[in-house]
Amino acid sequence: KNEVEQSPQNLTAQEGEFITINCSYSVGISALHWLQQHPGGGIVSLFMLSSGKKKHGRLIATINIQEKHSSLHITASHPRDSAVYICAVRLYSGGSNYKLTFGKGTLLTVNP
Amino acid sequence: NAGVTQTPKFRVLKTGQSMTLLCAQDMNHEYMYWYRQDPGMGLRLIHYSVGEGTTAKGEVPDGYNVSRLKKQNFLLGLESAAPSQTSVYFCASARDLTDTQYFGPGTRLTVL
Repeated sequence: KNEVEQSPQNLTAQEGEFITINCSYSVGISALHWLQQHPGGGIVSLFMLSSGKKKHGRLIATINIQEKHSSLHITASHPRDSAVYICAVRLYSGGSNYKLTFGKGTLLTVNP
Repeated sequence: NAGVTQTPKFRVLKTGQSMTLLCAQDMNHEYMYWYRQDPGMGLRLIHYSVGEGTTAKGEVPDGYNVSRLKKQNFLLGLESAAPSQTSVYFCASARDLTDTQYFGPGTRLTVL
């Protein structure tokens, strides 16, 4: 069983729409990351959070530790937001906390 | 600052050939990581380093070796390439275990 599950796998939206991408995980974590990967491959870290909510421009990330769930929201989406969005978690303790465990990603396409 | 750079960007090998991928960072980061990214799977950690002169195995280390002789460089070696090693390889660096990871642009490797 994948420890990190993202939904949806693919998402197509019209420019201007509000976008939500979800991430669920099955074990205790110390932090959760959202990353963006554009066509052509480069990966950029968007957020790192362990509680509450963070906002950067049109992007908002929230996390609910009790429910083991995080969401990434994009307001007023734009074609340049088209990318793969990846959720990754750092496990809370034990021998595996040196690494991030990654979800498979959500492919977002925003049409003009 | 260049951030994290990777050399080469593309490479085609024949089965059994060897090669070295170079990752360089100019942010004075202690932690460095090598990942591979395959279709339909999340990023997976191959090897990592917590400082100059140290290396450790990740979740998929077989068939790879690494070295961190200088703090700014992390080398990934394939001694005898196999078609199963066809992938996109990403290097990342971070200030410490809990810090955001900064990714290189990736190396696309094909093994025939």
